[in-house]
Formats: sequence, C-alpha cells, structure tokens
Amino acid sequence: AQSVAQPEDQVNVAEGNPLTVKCTYSVSGNPYLFWYVQYPNRGLQFLLKYITGDNLVKGSYGFEAEFNKSQTSFHLKKPSALVSDSALYFCAVRDRLSGGYNKLIFGAGTRLAVHP
Amino acid sequence: EPEVTQTPSHQVTQMGQEVILRCVPISNHLYFYWYRQILGQKVEFLVSFYNNEISEKSEIFDDQFSVERPDGSNFTLKIRSTKLEDSAMYFCASSGGGRQTNYGYTFGSGTRLTVV
Repeated sequence: AQSVAQPEDQVNVAEGNPLTVKCTYSVSGNPYLFWYVQYPNRGLQFLLKYITGDNLVKGSYGFEAEFNKSQTSFHLKKPSALVSDSALYFCAVRDRLSGGYNKLIFGAGTRLAVHP
Repeated sequence: EPEVTQTPSHQVTQMGQEVILRCVPISNHLYFYWYRQILGQKVEFLVSFYNNEISEKSEIFDDQFSVERPDGSNFTLKIRSTKLEDSAMYFCASSGGGRQTNYGYTFGSGTRLTVV
C-alpha cells in the first residue's frame, strides 16, 4: 500500500533562513512525488513534482526538493524563507506501476510558519 | 494555464438534504478525482473516475456518495443525505494520466460544504 509521512506538524523558521519540510514515502514500485501548498481558505497549489531524471527538482516560488531513493525521501527546501511562504504544505505520492488513473496519496500536511 | 473549476465555492445545507458539487475538469484530461479535506486536516481520496465509470473508491465513499459525468464536460459529486460529518472542503482534480501531460494533476479551488 502507498503511504506518505510528514513527521512534523509544524516547522518554524526565521525569515531569510533556509527551510526544510520533510517527507518520506512508501510505494510498491518507483514513485511519482509531488508537493502542494495550501494558503488559508484556498485550494491546493502545485509546487513541484519528481517523475524521473535529475533527483533535484526545482519548482515554483524558489522551492526545490530532492528525491532520495535509498532514504525514500522527498524533502522540500528553500534557501531563504519569506513570511509569505507561511502555509500548509502537503507531500503526495503515486505509484507509477498502477496505471494512469491511480490516485495521489497525501501526507498529513506540515504547517510552515515563517517569522519576521 | 488551464484550470479545474468548481462550483459553488461554499454551500450550506441542512442535515439530511442532498447536495451536488460541480466540477469542470481540464478539457483534454481523462481521469477525474474527488478528494475531501476536513478543516485544516489531511487531504483524503474519495473516488477516481475514468472512461465513464468509477475506477477506484475509498471506504469513505459509501452508498451516500455518487459521481457522474453527465455531459462530457461536468463532473459531479452527489451526497444523497448529508450528515454533520460531511462538512469539509471537497476538491475536484483531473489528470491526463500519462506522459502527454507530464503526469500532472490539477486541483480545483474547492467547495466548502457546511452541514447544519
């Protein structure tokens, strides 16, 4: 069965400092991995995805994530946090073996709070 | 950029009433999904739909729920007799499913359902 773990309910970072939001996954085959962000009372906004190729994926708003197969991780990073990055972040996985209609499985979410 | 459109953005209904949540997926996408998020919590898979039939559903998606693609454009979620615990944000998503759309999923901005 597919699963995603986001071990931190909340991450607190000072503005200007680097941030990391952690994600680990479990799938039966090779994964497709995604990060989404949700601002208060808003929908899910796509940030980035790993499908294949380079393990370091760059996405929207200066975010990046590194796929680490041996550690089954896909941590989200940003070199310099902004107050406006404060939001709820979701990691999601899909098992690439399971066909085109396969669902995304989401982690529980990590609330990022960036303090001035 | 193509969008998934959901209507209404907010619906209030009395317990026991039927509600229909509407979605217009991206026009060349083939796979459609409904997800649910109870306030500020995990995004949970409800159902996936392909080739005019349900391809997978979760245990949340019981006999009170149904989905339909009535006219080749809209994709609807019906809850026959709403319960208080159905109060949540409901997200529609669509996917091209394969390499031609780079394995992406696009989410709508959600319908907030409040059952009173």
